Amino acid sequence: QSVLTQPPSVSGAPGQRVTISCTGSSSNIGAGYDVHWYQQLPGTAPKLLIYGNSNRPSGVPDRFSGSKSGTSASLAITGLQAEDEADYYCQSYDSSLSGSCVFGTGTKVTVL
Amino acid sequence: QVQLVQSGAEVKKPGASVKVSCKASGYTFTGYYMHWVRQAPGQGLEWMGRINPNSGGTNYAQKFQGRVTMTRDTSISTAYMELSRLRSDDTAVYYCARDRRITVTTYYFDYWGQGTLVTVSS
Repeated sequence: QSVLTQPPSVSGAPGQRVTISCTGSSSNIGAGYDVHWYQQLPGTAPKLLIYGNSNRPSGVPDRFSGSKSGTSASLAITGLQAEDEADYYCQSYDSSLSGSCVFGTGTKVTVL
Repeated sequence: QVQLVQSGAEVKKPGASVKVSCKASGYTFTGYYMHWVRQAPGQGLEWMGRINPNSGGTNYAQKFQGRVTMTRDTSISTAYMELSRLRSDDTAVYYCARDRRITVTTYYFDYWGQGTLVTVSS
């Protein structure tokens, strides 16, 4: 049971900008904990896309950007490309759970 | 280069146990926590727990307490995840993932294994 809520799907034409929201609560994102994002291409393992709310690992195109405000975070993809069609997940820490690590529900990005 | 290589697919009967391995290379195994994350067919990611390869200390998600055991063998840089009393809803791809820890509450997963499909069926 995910405690971070994402829209099930978003879509856009090539070249457009899309955003994915990740909504949490006062025990996770709202408490100031960092949000990280992963991209999962079909049939593959997740890949780190954004860490620490807005930082890109080496090799990740600058078309991908992250932000955080209040109890939510967002991932933006500008200049959408066909290869961006994938599932995207946010991840954070939750102080109310013994396990502490929580993932978002996931968002499927479709390039029209 | 960092690599996490997992063991192959498994088919188990309900009530049985499964043990998945994750062999690390390209970095100091004891220097980074290892986590296990699973993904049921068509579903999202679910965190199961983590192990400190240096001390062997573990932290499990409440949902899996009593059924999961995470261990490691530092001599061969390998982490293990054993899940017991398997049910059909344990059918999933199981991933190991390396912890890139900034603080106690800020960590993310910078490298992932390729995944191991565990099928539970009678």
